[in-house]
Amino acid sequence: EPEVTQTPSHQVTQMGQEVILRCVPISNHLYFYWYRQILGQKVEFLVSFYNNEISEKSEIFDDQFSVERPDGSNFTLKIRSTKLEDSAMYFCASSEARRPEQYFGPGTRLTVT
Amino acid sequence: LAKTTQPISMDSYEGQEVNITCSHNNIATNDYITWYQQFPSQGPRFIIQGYKTKVTNEVASLFIPADRKSSTLSLPRVSLSDTAVYYCLVGDHGTGGFKTIFGAGTRLFVKA
Repeated sequence: EPEVTQTPSHQVTQMGQEVILRCVPISNHLYFYWYRQILGQKVEFLVSFYNNEISEKSEIFDDQFSVERPDGSNFTLKIRSTKLEDSAMYFCASSEARRPEQYFGPGTRLTVT
Repeated sequence: LAKTTQPISMDSYEGQEVNITCSHNNIATNDYITWYQQFPSQGPRFIIQGYKTKVTNEVASLFIPADRKSSTLSLPRVSLSDTAVYYCLVGDHGTGGFKTIFGAGTRLFVKA
Protein backbone atom coordinates (compact mmCIF):
# COMPACT_ATOMS: atom_id res chain seq x y z
CA GLU A 1 0.00 0.00 0.00
CA PRO A 2 1.45 3.40 -0.95
CA GLU A 3 2.32 5.67 1.95
CA VAL A 4 3.64 9.11 2.73
CA THR A 5 7.19 9.10 4.06
CA GLN A 6 9.00 11.78 6.04
CA THR A 7 12.60 12.41 6.93
CA PRO A 8 14.16 12.77 9.35
CA SER A 9 12.08 11.14 12.04
CA HIS A 10 13.68 13.39 14.66
CA GLN A 11 15.52 16.66 14.19
CA VAL A 12 17.23 18.59 16.93
CA THR A 13 18.32 22.12 16.16
CA GLN A 14 19.39 25.24 17.96
CA MET A 15 17.24 28.33 18.14
CA GLY A 16 17.80 30.58 15.14
CA GLN A 17 18.91 27.78 12.83
CA GLU A 18 17.20 26.87 9.61
CA VAL A 19 15.64 23.45 9.23
CA ILE A 20 14.21 21.63 6.26
CA LEU A 21 11.74 18.85 6.78
CA ARG A 22 11.26 16.47 3.91
CA CYS A 23 8.29 14.50 2.71
CA VAL A 24 7.60 12.15 -0.16
CA PRO A 25 3.86 12.18 -0.86
CA ILE A 26 1.98 9.35 -2.50
CA SER A 27 2.99 9.38 -6.13
CA ASN A 28 -0.32 10.06 -7.87
CA HIS A 29 -1.54 12.62 -5.36
CA LEU A 30 -1.82 16.25 -6.36
CA TYR A 31 -2.47 18.07 -3.08
CA PHE A 32 0.11 18.32 -0.34
CA TYR A 33 -0.15 19.59 3.21
CA TRP A 34 1.87 20.34 6.29
CA TYR A 35 0.52 20.21 9.82
CA ARG A 36 2.07 20.48 13.21
CA GLN A 37 1.14 19.12 16.59
CA ILE A 38 2.65 20.49 19.75
CA LEU A 39 2.91 17.80 22.41
CA GLY A 40 -0.46 17.18 24.01
CA GLN A 41 -2.29 19.58 21.73
CA LYS A 42 -4.41 19.30 18.65
CA VAL A 43 -3.25 18.94 15.07
CA GLU A 44 -2.85 22.37 13.46
CA PHE A 45 -3.08 23.04 9.75
CA LEU A 46 -0.14 24.99 8.32
CA VAL A 47 -0.41 25.00 4.55
CA SER A 48 -1.80 23.25 1.50
CA PHE A 49 -0.03 23.19 -1.84
CA TYR A 50 -1.34 22.44 -5.31
CA ASN A 51 -0.03 22.97 -8.80
CA ASN A 52 3.25 24.33 -7.49
CA GLU A 53 1.75 27.02 -5.36
CA ILE A 54 0.26 27.54 -1.95
CA SER A 55 -3.52 27.22 -2.04
CA GLU A 56 -4.32 27.77 1.63
CA LYS A 57 -2.29 28.73 4.66
CA SER A 58 -3.01 29.37 8.30
CA GLU A 59 -1.97 32.28 10.45
CA ILE A 60 0.77 30.08 11.88
CA PHE A 61 2.41 29.89 8.46
CA ASP A 62 4.19 33.24 8.57
CA ASP A 63 7.26 34.50 6.72
CA GLN A 64 9.49 32.13 8.66
CA PHE A 65 7.91 29.18 6.86
CA SER A 66 8.13 28.19 3.24
CA VAL A 67 7.26 25.13 1.21
CA GLU A 68 8.66 23.79 -1.98
CA ARG A 69 8.29 20.89 -4.35
CA PRO A 70 11.84 20.83 -5.69
CA ASP A 71 11.30 17.82 -7.93
CA GLY A 72 8.56 15.39 -8.88
CA SER A 73 8.62 13.48 -5.63
CA ASN A 74 9.69 15.59 -2.67
CA PHE A 75 7.74 18.21 -0.73
CA THR A 76 9.64 20.25 1.82
CA LEU A 77 8.89 22.58 4.69
CA LYS A 78 11.56 25.10 5.61
CA ILE A 79 11.67 27.04 8.83
CA ARG A 80 14.15 29.88 8.38
CA SER A 81 14.99 30.81 11.94
CA THR A 82 13.64 28.35 14.43
CA LYS A 83 12.17 29.41 17.75
CA LEU A 84 11.66 27.35 20.87
CA GLU A 85 7.93 27.33 20.22
CA ASP A 86 8.47 25.62 16.88
CA SER A 87 9.19 22.41 18.77
CA ALA A 88 6.47 20.04 17.66
CA MET A 89 5.66 17.04 15.55
CA TYR A 90 5.34 18.02 11.91
CA PHE A 91 3.14 15.92 9.67
CA CYS A 92 3.05 15.92 5.92
CA ALA A 93 -0.06 14.70 4.12
CA SER A 94 -1.22 14.26 0.57
CA SER A 95 -4.51 13.71 -1.19
CA GLU A 96 -5.93 13.10 -4.62
CA ALA A 97 -7.53 16.01 -6.40
CA ARG A 98 -10.01 17.93 -4.27
CA ARG A 99 -10.74 15.16 -1.81
CA PRO A 100 -10.65 15.62 1.91
CA GLU A 101 -9.32 12.10 2.37
CA GLN A 102 -5.74 12.87 3.30
CA TYR A 103 -2.96 10.40 3.93
CA PHE A 104 -0.55 11.42 6.66
CA GLY A 105 3.10 10.56 7.06
CA PRO A 106 4.64 9.34 10.31
CA GLY A 107 5.85 12.80 11.23
CA THR A 108 9.12 14.53 12.07
CA ARG A 109 9.68 15.44 15.67
CA LEU A 110 11.41 18.82 15.73
CA THR A 111 13.13 19.83 18.93
CA VAL A 112 14.47 23.37 19.15
CA THR A 113 16.92 24.00 21.98
CA LEU B 1 -15.32 26.27 8.03
CA ALA B 2 -18.03 24.83 10.23
CA LYS B 3 -17.19 24.42 13.90
CA THR B 4 -17.51 20.93 15.32
CA THR B 5 -18.25 19.79 18.84
CA GLN B 6 -17.42 16.32 20.14
CA PRO B 7 -17.23 14.75 23.58
CA ILE B 8 -13.78 15.15 25.06
CA SER B 9 -13.49 11.51 26.07
CA MET B 10 -15.33 8.19 26.11
CA ASP B 11 -14.70 4.86 27.74
CA SER B 12 -15.76 1.48 26.40
CA TYR B 13 -15.06 -2.21 26.82
CA GLU B 14 -13.72 -4.65 24.30
CA GLY B 15 -16.38 -6.10 22.05
CA GLN B 16 -18.80 -3.22 22.47
CA GLU B 17 -20.08 -0.93 19.76
CA VAL B 18 -18.97 2.65 20.21
CA ASN B 19 -20.83 5.63 18.83
CA ILE B 20 -19.17 9.04 18.80
CA THR B 21 -21.40 11.94 17.88
CA CYS B 22 -20.22 15.20 16.42
CA SER B 23 -22.29 18.39 16.21
CA HIS B 24 -21.81 20.73 13.28
CA ASN B 25 -24.75 23.10 13.31
CA ASN B 26 -23.28 25.50 10.77
CA ILE B 27 -22.45 22.92 8.12
CA ALA B 28 -22.63 24.37 4.61
CA THR B 29 -24.19 22.82 1.54
CA ASN B 30 -20.84 21.86 0.02
CA ASP B 31 -19.33 20.50 3.21
CA TYR B 32 -18.35 16.88 3.68
CA ILE B 33 -17.93 15.17 7.03
CA THR B 34 -14.69 13.32 7.58
CA TRP B 35 -13.42 11.30 10.52
CA TYR B 36 -9.80 10.60 11.39
CA GLN B 37 -8.16 8.42 14.01
CA GLN B 38 -4.87 9.24 15.69
CA PHE B 39 -2.67 7.03 17.84
CA PRO B 40 0.01 8.62 20.06
CA SER B 41 3.05 9.85 18.12
CA GLN B 42 1.48 8.97 14.77
CA GLY B 43 -0.17 10.98 12.06
CA PRO B 44 -3.96 10.99 11.77
CA ARG B 45 -5.43 8.19 9.74
CA PHE B 46 -8.50 8.65 7.54
CA ILE B 47 -11.39 6.48 8.68
CA ILE B 48 -14.49 7.48 6.75
CA GLN B 49 -16.15 10.34 4.94
CA GLY B 50 -19.72 11.09 4.00
CA TYR B 51 -22.10 13.74 2.79
CA LYS B 52 -25.50 12.42 3.82
CA THR B 53 -27.37 9.31 5.03
CA LYS B 54 -25.14 6.36 5.85
CA VAL B 55 -21.70 5.31 4.75
CA THR B 56 -20.05 2.06 5.72
CA ASN B 57 -16.59 0.68 5.12
CA GLU B 58 -14.52 -2.12 6.57
CA VAL B 59 -13.61 -0.04 9.61
CA ALA B 60 -16.66 1.99 10.61
CA SER B 61 -20.06 3.38 9.74
CA LEU B 62 -21.02 7.01 9.53
CA PHE B 63 -24.59 8.09 10.12
CA ILE B 64 -25.70 11.52 8.96
CA PRO B 65 -29.28 12.68 9.57
CA ALA B 66 -31.23 14.58 6.95
CA ASP B 67 -30.44 18.02 8.41
CA ARG B 68 -26.71 17.16 8.47
CA LYS B 69 -26.21 19.16 11.67
CA SER B 70 -24.62 16.19 13.36
CA SER B 71 -22.99 12.90 12.51
CA THR B 72 -22.21 9.71 14.36
CA LEU B 73 -19.19 7.54 13.89
CA SER B 74 -19.95 3.95 14.80
CA LEU B 75 -17.15 1.51 15.58
CA PRO B 76 -18.42 -2.08 15.80
CA ARG B 77 -16.94 -4.43 18.41
CA VAL B 78 -14.01 -2.29 19.52
CA SER B 79 -10.75 -3.80 20.67
CA LEU B 80 -7.97 -2.46 22.86
CA SER B 81 -6.18 -1.28 19.72
CA ASP B 82 -9.02 1.12 18.96
CA THR B 83 -7.89 3.28 21.87
CA ALA B 84 -7.09 6.54 20.11
CA VAL B 85 -8.26 10.08 19.50
CA TYR B 86 -11.05 10.44 16.95
CA TYR B 87 -11.52 13.68 15.06
CA CYS B 88 -14.60 14.90 13.25
CA LEU B 89 -13.90 17.42 10.49
CA VAL B 90 -16.27 19.37 8.32
CA GLY B 91 -15.36 21.33 5.25
CA ASP B 92 -15.53 21.60 1.49
CA HIS B 93 -12.95 20.95 -1.11
CA GLY B 94 -12.20 24.54 -1.91
CA THR B 95 -10.71 25.60 -5.15
CA GLY B 96 -7.19 24.43 -4.59
CA GLY B 97 -7.18 22.07 -1.72
CA PHE B 98 -8.79 21.19 1.51
CA LYS B 99 -8.02 23.32 4.53
CA THR B 100 -8.39 20.85 7.30
CA ILE B 101 -9.16 22.13 10.76
CA PHE B 102 -8.83 19.59 13.53
CA GLY B 103 -10.68 20.12 16.78
CA ALA B 104 -9.69 18.63 20.09
CA GLY B 105 -11.17 15.27 19.14
CA THR B 106 -12.66 12.52 21.29
CA ARG B 107 -10.26 10.42 23.28
CA LEU B 108 -11.62 6.86 23.25
CA PHE B 109 -10.27 4.50 25.85
CA VAL B 110 -11.12 0.83 25.39
CA LYS B 111 -10.78 -1.34 28.44
CA ALA B 112 -10.42 -5.12 28.69
